Amino acid sequence: ETGVTQTPRHLVMGMTNKKSLKCEQHLGHNAMYWYKQSAKKPLELMFVYNFKEQTENNSVPSRFSPECPNSSHLFLHLHTLQPEDSALYLCASSQVSENTEAFFGQGTRLTVV
Amino acid sequence: AQKITQTQPGMFVQEKEAVTLDCTYDTSDPSYGLFWYKQPSSGEMIFLIYQGSYDQQNATEGRYSLNFQKARKSANLVISASQLGDSAMYFCAMTRMDSSYKLIFGSGTRLLVRP
Repeated sequence: ETGVTQTPRHLVMGMTNKKSLKCEQHLGHNAMYWYKQSAKKPLELMFVYNFKEQTENNSVPSRFSPECPNSSHLFLHLHTLQPEDSALYLCASSQVSENTEAFFGQGTRLTVV
Repeated sequence: AQKITQTQPGMFVQEKEAVTLDCTYDTSDPSYGLFWYKQPSSGEMIFLIYQGSYDQQNATEGRYSLNFQKARKSANLVISASQLGDSAMYFCAMTRMDSSYKLIFGSGTRLLVRP
């Protein structure tokens, strides 16, 4: 596989469930990101990991918990979500030391019921 | 703080014609990068074109060109010879060119190409 892969593509979960989103990049990049895209709102940067270290947390509620075990994998652990958390969650990766674009996965469409 | 503004929520263009999607930005950083991404209905963000703040020439990539006017802080995307497959959301984005690389996006423009 190449590029950035996200699983699952679609997820429906209840407010009391615990689930995890997975992102994997095969590009050798050293930074990975989680974005949230809600209807009629710009993409919101949630978390940034540079060299497996979290360098950015944009005031994201604690019910979202990221994990970056290595530079190729990124997880977003979800628990006790709210209906307003329903959105498209996009993962991206980039090479921080170079002025290049970020590559995105196809996203996970999350619905909280 | 950086900010990206896209004032056109939706645009129509006739197939084979050119279209310009507007983007203005605000930043106090001396060095930054500007990007355009396309998002079809499938959800994936597809990179189209990049312009560095110190680049002297406007970037071009096939049918895509970026009209970069630094003094006006604008980075409009021009799509020439529009195709039906160009129908999608288009996002302008920027980032600082240092170790804190992170893309900040505008609200997007939905482009619909008419046959």
